[in-house]
Amino acid sequence: LAKTTQPISMDSYEGQEVNITCSHNNIATNDYITWYQQFPSQGPRFIIQGYKTKVTNEVASLFIPADRKSSTLSLPRVSLSDTAVYYCLVGPSGGSYIPTFGRGTSLIVHP
Amino acid sequence: GAVVSQHPSWVICKSGTSVKIECRSLDFQATTMFWYRQFPKQSLMLMATSNEGSKATYEQGVEKDKFLINHASLTLSTLTVTSAHPEDSSFYICSARDQDRGRTEAFFGQGTRLTVV
Repeated sequence: LAKTTQPISMDSYEGQEVNITCSHNNIATNDYITWYQQFPSQGPRFIIQGYKTKVTNEVASLFIPADRKSSTLSLPRVSLSDTAVYYCLVGPSGGSYIPTFGRGTSLIVHP
Repeated sequence: GAVVSQHPSWVICKSGTSVKIECRSLDFQATTMFWYRQFPKQSLMLMATSNEGSKATYEQGVEKDKFLINHASLTLSTLTVTSAHPEDSSFYICSARDQDRGRTEAFFGQGTRLTVV
């Protein structure tokens, strides 16, 4: 499994754009990149998934460079409710994939 | 997205008793489910992979006789913490993937807060 590295913590203010980068240097050809959000005492929630270039949904955007060795989760105009831990996971689409979590990034949004 | 439901959300039990946690996939079938444990300020740690109709696969260091996993149907997996002790107090989370529809992302239950007193 590709190992992921994320900043341990980030701080931002309401209304700002937040970009969280994840490094995955040994990503495999059939690996996807998936981001989850977790609030205290809740299970992780799927945010976005991508394979290459850019993916956007109603919540976030995911930017993946051509070499796919990193990815950036972009949260536009964050609010206090975006304060959470964000996890980047890398793994194949095959049935044997077991989601394995790294340390994640604790994002704190200030008023 | 697909829905995974866990029950109960929280439970308090006496030391030495057993506690069962249920994990259901509500709108899809899951031949494989995953059980995690999470301590405060830490990431999710995989405990075991639950396989429908067969024995679970436990991660190194997880006692299979203490954490009994049963995956009797395609929509239900249970985790039983036997003879619970205070050090078993933690946040337990289950997960499943909707593999039949080719979904690659995993969906997680809301978690179960276990407190052993």
